[in-house]
Amino acid sequence: DAGITQSPRHKVTETGTPVTLRCHQTENHRYMYWYRQDPGHGLRLIHYSYGVKDTDKGEVSDGYSVSRSKTEDFLLTLESATSSQTSVYFCAISEGTGGRPHYGYTFGSGTRLTVV
Amino acid sequence: ILNVEQSPQSLHVQEGDSTNFTCSFPSSNFYALHWYRWETAKSPEALFVMTLNGDEKKKGRISATLNTKEGYSYLYIKGSQPEDSATYLCAFGTKGAQKLVFGQGTRLTINP
Repeated sequence: DAGITQSPRHKVTETGTPVTLRCHQTENHRYMYWYRQDPGHGLRLIHYSYGVKDTDKGEVSDGYSVSRSKTEDFLLTLESATSSQTSVYFCAISEGTGGRPHYGYTFGSGTRLTVV
Repeated sequence: ILNVEQSPQSLHVQEGDSTNFTCSFPSSNFYALHWYRWETAKSPEALFVMTLNGDEKKKGRISATLNTKEGYSYLYIKGSQPEDSATYLCAFGTKGAQKLVFGQGTRLTINP
């Protein structure tokens, strides 16, 4: 989507290897989010960031870590990939005001990750 | 734990018919209710963001209403077209929250 890009778009990796997904925005939005999409589960929040170096856990954070060293980039790392982490990963950004993201989220195009 | 429920989970509608579905959310501490449209193999796109009780938003043939006192929102599609086939997500935000809580979605299929 315009203003937000995810890389890579597709990745196949082996069990036990570390993997890093990147979300890059050009909108200067404060909030950034990582979700995973799995059949029957909708969108589940992994981690999110409310500013540079400010991050917090979502509902399915085990096995994942994140970093945000600058406004435009939010990295998601699978420390030691497992088959249960095979999924489609979406990044989202939000402008937010006063700590409340009441503006609509803009989502990236997704990263399809397969762990074999 | 906040719970956002959408019903039905899936829906098949004939082309040209109108349809609607529901999003239920906690009525306390409400701040915002979002609707997103999510086509297969694409990413979700924001349709509406509503913050006031009684709000009604419209975009073409799609409209949404909001009742914060009883904790529900309806999404309506008038004269369904094949391109309306998608999953429709609602998401709820509380005051001061830094993230939304998403429902599981309603998967809409329009039969030609």
